[in-house]
Amino acid sequence: DTGVSQDPRHKITKRGQNVTFRCDPISEHNRLYWYRQTLGQGPEFLTYFQNEAQLEKSRLLSDRFSAERPKGSFSTLEIQRTEQGDSAMYLCASRTGGVDEQYFGPGTRLTVT
Amino acid sequence: SQQGEEDPQALSIQEGENATMNCSYKTSINNLQWYRQNSGRGLVHLILIRSNEREKHSGRLRVTLDTSKKSSSLLITASRAADTASYFCATDAGTGNQFYFGTGTSLTVIP
Repeated sequence: DTGVSQDPRHKITKRGQNVTFRCDPISEHNRLYWYRQTLGQGPEFLTYFQNEAQLEKSRLLSDRFSAERPKGSFSTLEIQRTEQGDSAMYLCASRTGGVDEQYFGPGTRLTVT
Repeated sequence: SQQGEEDPQALSIQEGENATMNCSYKTSINNLQWYRQNSGRGLVHLILIRSNEREKHSGRLRVTLDTSKKSSSLLITASRAADTASYFCATDAGTGNQFYFGTGTSLTVIP
């Protein structure tokens, strides 16, 4: 257990539905990342927060994806109008500034049917 | 797209043997990190090497970095069954903020 928690751990949804995932980072970590990982691949960077500011977004992040980190604490990742191609593991990671080691949560596995 | 690629994609060895996996990347970096992922779980940080370092050790792990060749290797000595996992390299592509992972090496250690 790294201290980063994600909820839910598993989510099955029908195509077209909206889903929201939550990440609680280690409390003193001001930087938070979202990644997507498909089977047999490494994590792909989606977005990055420093405190409450969303500083970087990947081109992979379509308009259907939105992420927030109100008050610089927990973060949510919402996917609207889900598609089967969204099926993946969504990983959250956090770190402190000046230290590049990231602490990953256990991930949320999304299955879109 | 992935910044790095690991080689080999899969590796199977006997317990007690050494395991070597390689990572190649595309752009300049500030540092390179190696992570381990057990099946279906989150990643665990193993070791970080900075761009001005050539070799680093941590327990049974030895990492080398060759910035001229844009490559790194991870050596696990005296492997154990518990080392069975996927191993990923990650670089910051010089950004210091975004991190890019390779495709991973799946290591199986046979007891």
